[in-house]
Amino acid sequence: GAGVSQSPSNKVTEKGKDVELRCDPISGHTALYWYRQRLGQGLEFLIYFQGNSAPDKSGLPSDRFSAERTGESVSTLTIQRTQQEDSAVYLCASSLLGFNEQYFGPGTRLTVT
Amino acid sequence: KQEVTQIPAALSVPEGENLVLNCSFTDSAIYNLQWFRQDPGKGLTSLLLIQSSQREQTSGRLNASLDKSSGRSTLYIAASQPGDSATYLCAVTGGFKTIFGAGTRLFVKA
Repeated sequence: GAGVSQSPSNKVTEKGKDVELRCDPISGHTALYWYRQRLGQGLEFLIYFQGNSAPDKSGLPSDRFSAERTGESVSTLTIQRTQQEDSAVYLCASSLLGFNEQYFGPGTRLTVT
Repeated sequence: KQEVTQIPAALSVPEGENLVLNCSFTDSAIYNLQWFRQDPGKGLTSLLLIQSSQREQTSGRLNASLDKSSGRSTLYIAASQPGDSATYLCAVTGGFKTIFGAGTRLFVKA
């Protein structure tokens, strides 16, 4: 079946603009995760959804970041007033149940100029 | 706060050699531990998942072990091949979070 998909694959935006990143999990997967990977660095956990609720939002880097999920389907990660330090690859993963084996999408490369 | 460390940071071996990658974590209250490989410019591929109640998992030439009490996991790769060249990541899950190590960059020379 289809894997995790993310769109866009690449996004270049000007500093101060808002961006929206999308993740489509594997069908039937109840849990969804967002991560950030800055150039040359490790993966940073941002947020986890079980269904459409997020028990812990403390991993979001600042209040400019927000995430939503519709039911057990698509999720969007929104970054408001983007800054250059937001430049990174944003990765999404899903799992059948909460914190079972995670399957990753190809990521969205965000460049803030 | 959970911290995950991977040693070595980089490793270069000749083809055919058996090798061990190490992962250590500071908080033993984990739900599971997962090993991934990441190829340049690509996403992550899941290799093995070990639940906290398990001691090891095997898939083909890969074997992962978990010693929760000492906060350690190892990934054993048998008979390494050039196609194994990638960055190997260890990820520890507990408390509604998954924390990744920085990875071990492996290069297998033909």
